[in-house]
Parts: sequence; structure tokens; C-alpha cells
Amino acid sequence: GENVEQHPSTLSVQEGDSAVIKCTYSDSASNYFPWYKQELGKRPQLIIDIRSNVGEKKDQRIAVTLNKTAKHFSLHITETQPEDSAVYFCAASRYDYKLSFGAGTTVTVRA
Amino acid sequence: DAGVIQSPRHEVTEMGQEVTLRCKPISGHNSLFWYRQTMMRGLELLIYFNNNVPIDDSGMPEDRFSAKMPNASFSTLKIQPSEPRDSAVYFCASSVQGSDEKLFFGSGTQLSVL
Repeated sequence: GENVEQHPSTLSVQEGDSAVIKCTYSDSASNYFPWYKQELGKRPQLIIDIRSNVGEKKDQRIAVTLNKTAKHFSLHITETQPEDSAVYFCAASRYDYKLSFGAGTTVTVRA
Repeated sequence: DAGVIQSPRHEVTEMGQEVTLRCKPISGHNSLFWYRQTMMRGLELLIYFNNNVPIDDSGMPEDRFSAKMPNASFSTLKIQPSEPRDSAVYFCASSVQGSDEKLFFGSGTQLSVL
């Protein structure tokens, strides 16, 4: 099955700086890569996703890049704000829609 | 749409008791997933249904766990008998298979087995 590894496990950044989270996956047939944000005590919420036919996608301050050859994808958050503090999960799936999640990255934005 | 609705939000029970978690997926979604989240193991897929049919239950820990989806708008996850190691947050999620695949989670059920 698919194995998704996520790094780092924790990330502390100064407000206004950028944050980058990286994930690797094992199944070369995976073609869908979403990112979820989970605030303390809340549900995971989809913040951005990318498909294998695209190398980069941007939505305001967040962007995701995908390198299919290397089997890795990354989340970039620019101009971080205190409300960006949360746990972020990457995930990957193939055509069968079964998402495999990374272990999560706890992001803390320091004011 | 109210999103994926789960009940109860919190459940505290004693070891050996039966626990039933409930989920109502988003209307029109044809796939439903049950996940378990713990600090140690992260988000684990327990079972997934497509058009009310269980497709993959390989993540169900053991025979004490069972899940049903009698119709398109309701699913249950049952643990009988419950054990302390079952304590976790259980999330239900739904999506539209064959379309954009975006997965939407419910608010979860925080289960504590004493």
C-alpha cells in the first residue's frame, strides 16, 4: 500500500515568515495529493489539493508543488499569521480514492 | 449543507460496554469513510463504503469493530466489547467518487473507554 512520510514533525516560524512542509510517497500510481489543516479539537479541513497532471497550484498565501519523478510534494505558506498555527497533514491516493495520510506537522507561528 | 454530521461528540464508557458511533454523510456523496485518530498512530482508515457497500475494511482492528451503512444517509461504527485502547477520536468523512474526490470530515467523536 501507499506510504506517506511527512517532515518536519514540528515547525516554529516567526509571524510573516514562510513555512514549508515536505512529503514523500511510495506508490508511483498515486495521482491525487490533498493537504489538510487541523486546529486543536477540530476536524481536518481541506485547504488545497493537486493532481498529478499539474506541477504547482496556488491559492492566496498557500501553494503546493509536486515532483512526480522524485515522488514528493510540498506545502508552502507565505506571510504566516497566528491563525496559521495548526497541525497540517499531507495525503496521497490513487484511483481507488483511498487516502493515505502523513503523520502531520505541528506549525506554530510566533507573534 | 450542514456537512458531515457525527454523533455523539463525546462518549465515555466503561470497558466491556458496547459503543455505537453514528454518521450522516453530505447529501449526494456516494463514498463514506471511518477514520481513527490517535497521537501514536495518526489518522488511520478503518473502513470505506461506496454506494453503501463496504469496499475496504482492511483497517478494522479486529472483530470487535463492525460498521454498517444501511442507506445513503446513515452509517454506524460499533465496538463491542470496548477496551481502553480503543480510546481515540473517530472521524467520519464523505466524498463523491468519480468526481472531484475531495474528502470532507465530520466533527468527530471523542471516545474514552475507562
